[in-house]
Amino acid sequence: KQEVTQIPAALSVPEGENLVLNCSFTDSAIYNLQWFRQDPGKGLTSLLLIQSSQREQTSGRLNASLDKSSGRSTLYIAASQPGDSATYLCAVKGGGFKTIFGAGTRLFVKA
Amino acid sequence: KAGVTQTPRYLIKTRGQQVTLSCSPISGHRSVSWYQQTPGQGLQFLFEYFSETQRNKGNFPGRFSGRQFSNSRSEMNVSTLELGDSALYLCASSFWGARDEKLFFGSGTQLSVL
Repeated sequence: KQEVTQIPAALSVPEGENLVLNCSFTDSAIYNLQWFRQDPGKGLTSLLLIQSSQREQTSGRLNASLDKSSGRSTLYIAASQPGDSATYLCAVKGGGFKTIFGAGTRLFVKA
Repeated sequence: KAGVTQTPRYLIKTRGQQVTLSCSPISGHRSVSWYQQTPGQGLQFLFEYFSETQRNKGNFPGRFSGRQFSNSRSEMNVSTLELGDSALYLCASSFWGARDEKLFFGSGTQLSVL
């Protein structure tokens, strides 16, 4: 059974800092991994999607990497801003096309 | 292009009642999946529909059901509500629900059971 873990659970950083969020999964037989952002009480916004055959994806200040063999993904955020404050979730799609989510990392960027 | 639309945005019900939530996917998307989000359990998969057929189901009791219409709009129903059903219910859509597709989420329906 696929399990997805995100570390740390919460993170507080000063504005301008570069940071890394971690996601690990137990079953490496995945089709893709997707990173989302969620603002309080709102839906999820897709940030990056990495296919199982890819190693990384980039969008603006965001870079996500995937190491399927070790069951790990990282989301790198460069030059963090207060507007980046949100919960970041990773999700893996595997067998049966089910998408399993991690519990998320709550990020707070201080001005 | 309009995003995924969920209605209503907020609902307050009492124990024992039933509730129906609605989800309109992005135009052209035929796969709709539903998730329950709670502070304790996080995001949990409920079920997924494609072309009016349920393709996948999570580990929820039979009180949770859903359906999809020919225009791809989907509804989920929860009968005999319990306090523990209080949650944010999210739906997501994609073209085919295929392995390489992104999921696009709606803003959710916040259900409170009193």
